[in-house]
Parts: sequence; C-alpha cells; structure tokens
Amino acid sequence: AQKVTQAQTEISVVEKEDVTLDCVYETRDTTYYLFWYKQPPSGELVFLIRRNSFDEQNEISGRYSWNFQKSTSSFNFTITASQVVDSAVYFCALSGEEGNQFYFGTGTSLTVIP
Amino acid sequence: KAGVTQTPRYLIKTRGQQVTLSCSPISGHRSVSWYQQTPGQGLQFLFEYFSETQRNKGNFPGRFSGRQFSNSRSEMNVSTLELGDSALYLCASSLGWSSSGNTIYFGEGSWLTVV
Repeated sequence: AQKVTQAQTEISVVEKEDVTLDCVYETRDTTYYLFWYKQPPSGELVFLIRRNSFDEQNEISGRYSWNFQKSTSSFNFTITASQVVDSAVYFCALSGEEGNQFYFGTGTSLTVIP
Repeated sequence: KAGVTQTPRYLIKTRGQQVTLSCSPISGHRSVSWYQQTPGQGLQFLFEYFSETQRNKGNFPGRFSGRQFSNSRSEMNVSTLELGDSALYLCASSLGWSSSGNTIYFGEGSWLTVV
C-alpha cells in the first residue's frame, strides 16, 4: 500500500524557534519519490523539495532542511529560525511507479506567532 | 513563465447541476492531473492525462470525468452534483508521464461549493 502519515495536525511556535515536521511513508515500490509542498491560505500547493529513494543525503536550502531516512521510512522537514511567513499547511507526498499519481499526507498546519 | 492556471477560481452550484473546471498547464508541460481537497478526506487523486489520454484514475465515481486537448489544456467535469462534492479542486502539471518521479506543479485551485 502507498501511504503517507503526518501525525502532527497542528503546530504553533514562536517566531525564531526551530520546528520539525514529521512524515512517515509506506510503499511497495522499489523506486519512489518523496516531496514536500507548502499550502498558504490562497490554496496553491507550492513545491519545496523532491527526493528519490536512492538518495538519502540530507538537504539544506536556506532555513529549510530535510532528513530522509529509509531505515525508518521517514522524510522530516525542519525550519530553522521560523518566521511568520512560514505559517501555512505543509504536505508530505509520495509518488511511485504509477506515473504521476501522488499520495499525500493529511498535512501539518504550522502557525508561527510573532 | 506562467504557472498553472485554473478557472473559475470560485463557483457555487446547486445539487443536481453539473460543473466544468478548466486548467492550463505550465507552457511545455504535457501531463495534467487533478486532485480533490476536502477537510475530511484531504488531497485525493482524481485522474491524470497525458497526450490527450487518461493514464491513471483514482477511486471516484463515474460522475467525475475529464479530458485533455491537443494543446495540453484540460477540463474536468462533475455531473449530478452532490453536497459532498464541495471541495477545492486542484490541477497540477508536469513535463511528462513516466515512472521517473516527475515533480508536479499546482495551480491555485477552483473552490466549488454545492448548495
């Protein structure tokens, strides 16, 4: 089965705190891809990062970093020194060997309090 | 470069009516997929089109249909609307269709309310 679990429904942090959003996945595919998207109130899902199953290197982009661990089937997302503009719903997603069919987690709503 | 464009952005329909939503993909993108987002079910895959052919379909009733034109633009149609069809309908485009992990890019969505 293809499944993505984001156990954290809502998180609130004070500005400048670090925050980690958890993502756990299940897949039957050998080759698969993991993604994070950000959804502001306007509705559009904004692509943040893509990772393939053969690349377990962690990635850092500015204040954002991602930790991919196949051993625990996790792909966690950390925001360092959070800002109010980071407030949004964040989705983790999985695609496998079925073309572009994505499986999304239920999302984590992040509120950064000034 | 223009992003994915969806029209209309907001619409209100009555139960039993039908609705057509439109999506223009990013220039050069040939694959278009559709997702339904509701508070209860989250983001669910509806279908995907590539080269005017449906390549994949999610678990939705036959009232939900779509098509893709030769210029890669896509429409989705929902017939005999039910209250439960109220949702944000998101269109996404990608360069191609394959098992190679294409990134999909989303539009702002069409907010449908059924009354």
